[in-house]
Amino acid sequence: DQQVKQNSPSLSVQEGRISILNCDYTNSMFDYFLWYKKYPAEGPTFLISISSIKDKNEDGRFTVFLNKSAKHLSLHIVPSQPGDSAVYFCAASPGGTSYGKLTFGQGTILTVHP
Amino acid sequence: DGGITQSPKYLFRKEGQNVTLSCEQNLNHDAMYWYRQDPGQGLRLIYYSQIVNDFQKGDIAEGYSVSREKKESFPLTVTSAQKNPTAFYLCASSEGAGEAFFGQGTRLTVV
Repeated sequence: DQQVKQNSPSLSVQEGRISILNCDYTNSMFDYFLWYKKYPAEGPTFLISISSIKDKNEDGRFTVFLNKSAKHLSLHIVPSQPGDSAVYFCAASPGGTSYGKLTFGQGTILTVHP
Repeated sequence: DGGITQSPKYLFRKEGQNVTLSCEQNLNHDAMYWYRQDPGQGLRLIYYSQIVNDFQKGDIAEGYSVSREKKESFPLTVTSAQKNPTAFYLCASSEGAGEAFFGQGTRLTVV
């Protein structure tokens, strides 16, 4: 039972264009959503998060959108840079005292071409 | 520097052996977690601890054991009962309503 799904295994974009990574979830108890970036053989690095009481959060080139009714979130990267090439994981948490108890999607490999 | 240290980076285990993966944090976080990553998959929660001397099973706890005797340390033992132990193991910590910080991981291979 995959509670968090990233249906696109990979995404390829040109440098300077927008990258949009998508994530769907099924569990209504999730209260906090995060995006992590990961390189092979390294730990994930936190990028950006959003609470369920918001529908948008922005941090520099990264914006996360949350549509609670559709149980869908997306990460927008504008403009995309070659250094953004990595695996991106979306994750969801029940919040409360369990913010770090995360359920992860399968990941999307982003490749940004110069 | 504050952070999470996992050791060793690479670990080889013979079939039937128990091995222990180390995780130490100096972030003063109360909560610590162990995740496992398999190729092409997301991370899955093995065990977590929200406070010293207490821990709970995650989604895939069978064949693993943990202890939390100190706030800074959360070692994971992969026992011989774990049928497919070869994987990338990640330790994380968090505090309150904050994001989880991850260590650099330990790659365990059964030989």
